Formats: sequence, C-alpha cells, structure tokens
Amino acid sequence: NAGVTQTPKFRILKIGQSMTLQCAQDMNHNYMYWYRQDPGMGLKLIYYSVGAGITDKGEVPNGYNVSRSTTEDFPLRLELAAPSQTSVYFCASSYRRDRGFTNTGELFFGEGSRLTVL
Amino acid sequence: DAKTTQPPSMDCAEGRAANLPCNHSTISGNEYVYWYRQIHSQGPQYIIHGLKNNETNEMASLIITEDRKSSTLILPHATLRDTAVYYCIVSLGRMYSGGGADGLTFGKGTHLIIQP
Repeated sequence: NAGVTQTPKFRILKIGQSMTLQCAQDMNHNYMYWYRQDPGMGLKLIYYSVGAGITDKGEVPNGYNVSRSTTEDFPLRLELAAPSQTSVYFCASSYRRDRGFTNTGELFFGEGSRLTVL
Repeated sequence: DAKTTQPPSMDCAEGRAANLPCNHSTISGNEYVYWYRQIHSQGPQYIIHGLKNNETNEMASLIITEDRKSSTLILPHATLRDTAVYYCIVSLGRMYSGGGADGLTFGKGTHLIIQP
C-alpha cells in the first residue's frame, strides 16, 4: 500500500493563478481531509469528505473547493491564489463506521504539498 | 471538542523516558484522547489513543487520570528520532454530523527535543 499520496510536493504560484492539489489513498478509507499548516502553527481543517459525493467545510474553507467523485481521490482546488494561501497542505484519510458512536479513528497523512504564492 | 493545554517545549536525555503532559479539564464522557507527532515538516503520525483506560502499543504508553482531566504520553526509551512536535487532541466519538465538526483539531503541541 502506498497510503496517502499527494502531488505536487512543491509549487510556486503567481497571485490570481489557479491550481489543484491532488490526493489519493489506496486504503479504502471513507473519510478524507485537507489541512493547511502555516509556519510554527498547528493544522487547520479546510474541507473534509465522509464518502464519495459528500463534502463539508472545515474551519478555513474560503478560497478553496473540493470534490469527491471516487473513494480514492480528494483533490483540493485553489481558484484565485493569494499570498495568504502560502502554506503546507496535508491530505489525510481515515476509516469510520457509519453508525453509532465511534472514535474519530487513526488519521493517515500524506507527506504534504508546499505551496508559495508570490 | 474539549480544548487541550500542553507545554510548548520539553527536553529529554536520550535513553530516558519522555513524559509529555496534557491537560483537558473540560473533557466529556464520550471524548477520546489522541496523540500524534510531527517530525520536522512531515505529515503528522498517529501514536496512540484512549478513552478511559491506560493504553500501550509498540510506540508509547498513554496514562489517563481517573477523572480524565489530564493524560501523559510516555515514550519509554527516547531516541534522537523521537525529536518532534507532539499533539494531544481530544475528540468526540460520533456519527457524521456535518457542520465542519468532524476533523481533529491540532493545536501547537509540545516540541520535544531529545538530547544526546
């Protein structure tokens, strides 16, 4: 198993450009997440998905869009890049039961995508 | 989810046990305690979690006080490779509820430095 794979690892964008960060997992996990981490800070949740076709906003969704057409893939789209979006982006996945109370599970993270907007 | 408080940094000598404290005084009955770590700028790595009982795995032990208001992560024989930021997270076990409440919240954590 490759686990969670993110591409690209590094990218420099100009203000106003658009791009998509790719995330794929091969563990058949139903939950997938996108976080961002600014220097010296913790991780902030951008968007997450509980299964194909279902996405929901996290703490900092403005300026981003996501889609989940398959269980494996969860791309993050930046439409009009701004310097405030300079950050390291982490994708993660987990398995959670669909019924009843359950622990939020062990999250498996990718290696991160480092984005600079100039 | 309940908030956690951790010291910003700690030192530990190589080969000794590293004890990382976490306060979560507002924890509720269905909330789990999770520990993750982040080595340098890599993606966070799950370590261990617990609800009420103490837990042990190949990486670490988790000691939760009887009132569940605090916990300690123990790395029994710390090595230089254990230098990392350690995150203590409290999260409610629940069904999907929407509203952006289903991800784990990572604070600033404790920067553990293992000294040779």
